[in-house]
Amino acid sequence: QVQLQESGPGLVKPSETLSLTCAVSGFSISSGYYWGWIRQPPGKGLEWIGNIFHSGTTYYNPSLKSRVTISVDTSKNQLSLKLSSVTAADTAVYYCARMTYDSSYPWGQGTLVTVSS
Amino acid sequence: SSELTQDPAVSVALGQTVRITCQGDSLRTFYASWYQQKPGQAPILVVYGKNIRPSGIPDRFSGSRSVNTASLTITGAQAEDEADYYCNSRDSSGDHLLFGGGTKLTVL
Repeated sequence: QVQLQESGPGLVKPSETLSLTCAVSGFSISSGYYWGWIRQPPGKGLEWIGNIFHSGTTYYNPSLKSRVTISVDTSKNQLSLKLSSVTAADTAVYYCARMTYDSSYPWGQGTLVTVSS
Repeated sequence: SSELTQDPAVSVALGQTVRITCQGDSLRTFYASWYQQKPGQAPILVVYGKNIRPSGIPDRFSGSRSVNTASLTITGAQAEDEADYYCNSRDSSGDHLLFGGGTKLTVL
């Protein structure tokens, strides 16, 4: 059974870099699939942040591309998200998920990140 | 086009059939996937591709597509189906993902 678990600071100061990790269990990241991040501001809808293929190829939301870096660490079987120059608009629940070309399953439980001084 | 459009809210009487739609130009090319999200929980995949349900999803959930509109149909809605539903697909380039704005389903 594949499981994903997000972790990282729950509070980040404006202009700093948000850093999250997603630990994957029950499946080896290097075996295939895309792995991605999605976020959801409080009370709002879902927004795709980006994907990384197991080989390292990345795809980012054009609206976030200049600030986002997604990477994988196959030795730790985890993926990471870095979002730079954050503002209050980046406050959201951040989810990681395993992705195919046409679906995302399963998802992690999500982690709330608040941007505030 | 870089948008997927959903009705903000839909209601259905208990046991009746409801269709939730998602409109976008990229749906002419790509299938949609559908996610159910209950308050305080992560989204779960309910339908994807050409009407495929993951294991554990009841068969009252089904998906379809017509021209530029994808639909999620719940046949015989149950109280536990009350949730937000999001469609998801690719943009016209195929490289980027899009989410619809979500539909809040109320079961009366």
